[in-house]
Amino acid sequence: EPEVTQTPSHQVTQMGQEVILHCVPISNHLYFYWYRQILGQKVEFLVSFYNNEISEKSEIFDDQFSVERPDGSNFTLKIRSTKLEDSAMYFCASSDSGQETQYFGPGTRLLVL
Amino acid sequence: GDSVTQMEGPVTLSEEAFLTINCTYTATGYPSLFWYVQYPGEGLQLLLKATKADDKGSNKGFEATYRKETTSFHLEKGSVQVSDSAVYFCALSDRGSSASKIIFGSGTRLSIRP
Repeated sequence: EPEVTQTPSHQVTQMGQEVILHCVPISNHLYFYWYRQILGQKVEFLVSFYNNEISEKSEIFDDQFSVERPDGSNFTLKIRSTKLEDSAMYFCASSDSGQETQYFGPGTRLLVL
Repeated sequence: GDSVTQMEGPVTLSEEAFLTINCTYTATGYPSLFWYVQYPGEGLQLLLKATKADDKGSNKGFEATYRKETTSFHLEKGSVQVSDSAVYFCALSDRGSSASKIIFGSGTRLSIRP
């Protein structure tokens, strides 16, 4: 069964460093998403992406964040200058239409020291 | 804005007990409703969904019915197993944009005793 994959599974970085989180969505899907889950809290929407542009972003998704689909298979989330409060589990998701079920990857646990 | 409220955990039950996890939602339109499950150390897995009023989603013995009149989507299972121990998230799909975002409840941790 096709699945969303994410790398790395864990990332530790120093405050102020840039990190790039990688996702490979399900191959025939067209809509891509990032969510995050701070430890012990609910899962929060960050951004949706379709047709090589951002469809919607939350207030969390400020200028420190960017997304890119650099080729036909990868979808990345970049945090330009990490803060302590960026420590969280980051989930990538994809769907084959904007109104359909989203399938989630296993997540990348990011720890900012 | 749209929101989801689900019962606080943790919930601890004995094996073969009946499970209910309550979930209510607030939405301006007609969202799709979901239950996602997160097993220890893993990501989010779709457990079941319902896309319109009175639909019943079911999977692995779990069921939930989309109740528009009470804006609820309670999760039930007749006989839980130890392997059902996980965190359960109720969620809705906000259809306000072309790429619907999912809005999650805060999660309910379920522990099943052998």
